[in-house]
Amino acid sequence: QSVLTQPPSVSAAPGQKVTISCSGSSSNIGNNYVSWYQQVPGTAPKLLIYENDKRPSGIPDRFSGSKSGTSATLGITGLQTGDEADYYCGTWDSSLNINWVFGGGTKLTVL
Amino acid sequence: QVQLQESGPGLVKPSETLSLTCTVSRGSISNYYWTWLRQPPGKGLEWIGYISNSGGTKYKPSLKSRVTLSVDTSKNQFSLKLSSVTAADTAVYYCARGVYDLAPPDYWSQGILVTVSS
Repeated sequence: QSVLTQPPSVSAAPGQKVTISCSGSSSNIGNNYVSWYQQVPGTAPKLLIYENDKRPSGIPDRFSGSKSGTSATLGITGLQTGDEADYYCGTWDSSLNINWVFGGGTKLTVL
Repeated sequence: QVQLQESGPGLVKPSETLSLTCTVSRGSISNYYWTWLRQPPGKGLEWIGYISNSGGTKYKPSLKSRVTLSVDTSKNQFSLKLSSVTAADTAVYYCARGVYDLAPPDYWSQGILVTVSS
């Protein structure tokens, strides 16, 4: 069981918008920045969003992040077939000793 | 941009120690935090821990008793040792960089599959 909860899968048609949720608690999301990663099967994860809503250089503005309380959301607009991947949220957790935790991942299917 | 490349055996016997090294190129190992993560086949990501260029460490609590991280700034390398491995430690292992201690890993290696089997 992951500390952060994500839906196992989401799907949408090309050109549409999709959101992926990430639910946690006050010991993690509630008091720390959230990041999001994209992992195309067979490749290493790529950082999409950091500090809740910031995009690294080179990440298109179709990708957005937000946080409210103990939950965070990744939004992807103008879906492309190349967006089909697994998406993971991550943040620091301080419930025992501080350590980085991930959500279980969400498989995005672009229909 | 910075590049990271792991090296080490792809097969380790149960109860032995898994050892991996990550070489940093196109950038300095100084002033950053260097992280190890893993992903069992077909499963999600797991953070193992990080080490700073000055040797400060932080580990996942459940792995702390078996993990040792080290850094060699002269070689631009950092290393992972995981002792007493079992089949549950079979995973793709990644090394990655963080720009400060609480930063998310930004640049990742391509990953190396390590199988624990006799």
